[in-house]
Amino acid sequence: EIVLTQSPGTLSLSPGERATLSCRASQSVSSRYLAWYQQKPGQAPRVLIYGASTRATGIPDRFSGSGSGTDFTLTISRLEPEDFVVYFCQQYGSPPRTFGQGTKLEIK
Amino acid sequence: QVQLQESGPGLVKPSETLSLTCTVSGYSISGGYYWGWIRQPPGKGLEFIATIHHSGDTYYHPSLRGRVSISMDTSKNHFSLNLSSVTAADTAIYYCARYDISLPFQYWGQGILVTVSS
Repeated sequence: EIVLTQSPGTLSLSPGERATLSCRASQSVSSRYLAWYQQKPGQAPRVLIYGASTRATGIPDRFSGSGSGTDFTLTISRLEPEDFVVYFCQQYGSPPRTFGQGTKLEIK
Repeated sequence: QVQLQESGPGLVKPSETLSLTCTVSGYSISGGYYWGWIRQPPGKGLEFIATIHHSGDTYYHPSLRGRVSISMDTSKNHFSLNLSSVTAADTAIYYCARYDISLPFQYWGQGILVTVSS
């Protein structure tokens, strides 16, 4: 199974700043089948990015994804107050589908 | 608009079987896609559990094989999860979801908290 390691575990930033979240895979993720999810308290995760860099429908363009192979990045260009929640990466190229442990974005 | 809704007991005793159902509205589960279960222990990360294809094919997380089964009832437009011999480690929010083979989990239920305790 592919293990995904996210860093940092917690990221402290201020609204308006840029956030860079990392996701590293234990082996290459085939076909760039890497997704990023956002999870707000008490809610199910929702897809932000799939295919490593494609924004899901309705996702603001301040969210962007990049990377390939074993290293992937989610960038939030200008943080809004509602962005300070938890983010997970997930690979869906090799069964079983696996998730990273999450990065919590908190207000500095 | 596809909607998924989990249902089942919120409390299960250790060594018993956890049984959950995901009722789908807005789409016929026999019409396509994969239908799966994911869980999240409180305050922790997400773990894929099992999936069933509209054709009836199934796949289980290797660490849970032998304890888990998934099935679907197209007449009721729902699919179900059974997890046997539960322990406190199975306490989690259980989500059902829909996805396609080349896409992530696109549609999610709201989740149901299941606590394993005597």
